[in-house]
Amino acid sequence: NAGVTQTPKFQVLKTGQSMTLQCAQDMNHNSMYWYRQDPGMGLRLIYYSASEGTTDKGEVPNGYNVSRLNKREFSLRLESAAPSQTSVYFCASSQGGTDTQYFGPGTRLTVL
Amino acid sequence: QKEVEQDPGPLSVPEGAIVSLNCTYSNSAFQYFMWYRQYSRKGPELLMYTYSSGNKEDGRFTAQVDKSSKYISLFIRDSQPSDSATYLCAMIGSNYQLIWGAGTKLIIKP
Repeated sequence: NAGVTQTPKFQVLKTGQSMTLQCAQDMNHNSMYWYRQDPGMGLRLIYYSASEGTTDKGEVPNGYNVSRLNKREFSLRLESAAPSQTSVYFCASSQGGTDTQYFGPGTRLTVL
Repeated sequence: QKEVEQDPGPLSVPEGAIVSLNCTYSNSAFQYFMWYRQYSRKGPELLMYTYSSGNKEDGRFTAQVDKSSKYISLFIRDSQPSDSATYLCAMIGSNYQLIWGAGTKLIIKP
C-alpha cells in the first residue's frame, strides 16, 4: 500500500506559467482534499471532493482548479501561477465525514 | 481572531522531559479533536484523535480535551529526540472540514 502519492515533489515555475499537481490514493477512500501550508499559517484547504464526481471550494480556492478524475485521483491545476502561490501543497484522503485524513508527502512549489 | 490558536514555538526541552502542547479554540460546536505530527519535509500523520471532553492515552502520549475552557492539550512523557517535529492540532468544523492550528515546533535535546 503506497497510501497517498503526489507528483512532482518539487517544482519551480515562472509567473504566468501553468502546471498540474497530481494526487492518487490506493485506500479506496471516498473523499480527497488539497491543502497548502505556509509558515505560521498552518494548513489551509484549497478544494475538496467529498465523493467521486463532486468538488467544492475550501478556504482559499482563488487561482486554482481541481479535477476528480476517478475515485483514486484528484488533481490541482494552477492556470497562471503567481508568486503568492509559492507554498507546500499537500493532498489528503479519507473515507469522509469525521474519518481520519491521510496525507501525501507534499509538493514544494516555488513561483518566481 | 483565528478559530484555532496554537503557539508556534519553537519549544526546546531536554530528553526525558514531559512536554505539554496546547491549542485554544473559539467555536463551542467543535466535537472532534486531533493531533497530527509532521516531521520536516514530510506530510502530517495522525497521532491522536479524541471525541468530546476527557483524556485519551496511547503509550507515551496523552490527549486531553476541556470543552468548558475550549482548550486541548497533548502531553508527551519521557520525550525522545525522535519526537522532534511540528505538532498540529485540528478540529472538525462545518461540512466536516478540518480547522487547523498553525503548529508548534518541538525540539528534544539529547
